[in-house]
Amino acid sequence: AQRVTQPEKLLSVFKGAPVELKCNYSYSGSPELFWYVQYSRQRLQLLLRHISRESIKGFTADLNKGETSFHLKKPFAQEEDSAMYYCALDMEYGNKLVFGAGTILRVKS
Amino acid sequence: GAGVSQTPSNKVTEKGKYVELRCDPISGHTALYWYRQSLGQGPEFLIYFQGTGAADDSGLPNDRFFAVRPEGSVSTLKIQRTERGDSAVYLCASSVAGGITGELFFGEGSRLTVL
Repeated sequence: AQRVTQPEKLLSVFKGAPVELKCNYSYSGSPELFWYVQYSRQRLQLLLRHISRESIKGFTADLNKGETSFHLKKPFAQEEDSAMYYCALDMEYGNKLVFGAGTILRVKS
Repeated sequence: GAGVSQTPSNKVTEKGKYVELRCDPISGHTALYWYRQSLGQGPEFLIYFQGTGAADDSGLPNDRFFAVRPEGSVSTLKIQRTERGDSAVYLCASSVAGGITGELFFGEGSRLTVL
């Protein structure tokens, strides 16, 4: 069963435009949700997790249990935000993550 | 080292051959994970070690896949009788402790191509 859905394979925006990367999940329990990012020629790394409720590099993500969503947002995109973004769900215990297929974000100048 | 180290970075092999992929986690991290990433997909969980023991191997696709971590540090993922469908990037990750949700630190991956 598809647990994490990222409906967009590619999202292309202009510098300074708002960004929203969509993530929907399927899980009846209390989810732990994450966004991981992979910049060009770098390794996969944690961007943010929902329980931290913090903003990282201007990005925020709010867990909406009613809509089972965890969309990633940034008000003003920067060129350095261009990367592959993965939404991930931890269902059972620490770090047995289920990843979405990822969304490529391209920020154009 | 400063991060999770994986070797080889690239491995090309023929169908039916045996392959070993190595992971050296961040020093002091007790939890080690293997994930597999096929083209166009996100990483998929394979196996999780807490110390020397495999705490959860439910993601291993079949009995051709096996992993060890004999001294609680370096881990080796072993694939027997490789098939073309095994072609993927194999990612290793470590975290400070297992059983709790924390930051996963990933290696750069080992790209396996089975011809």
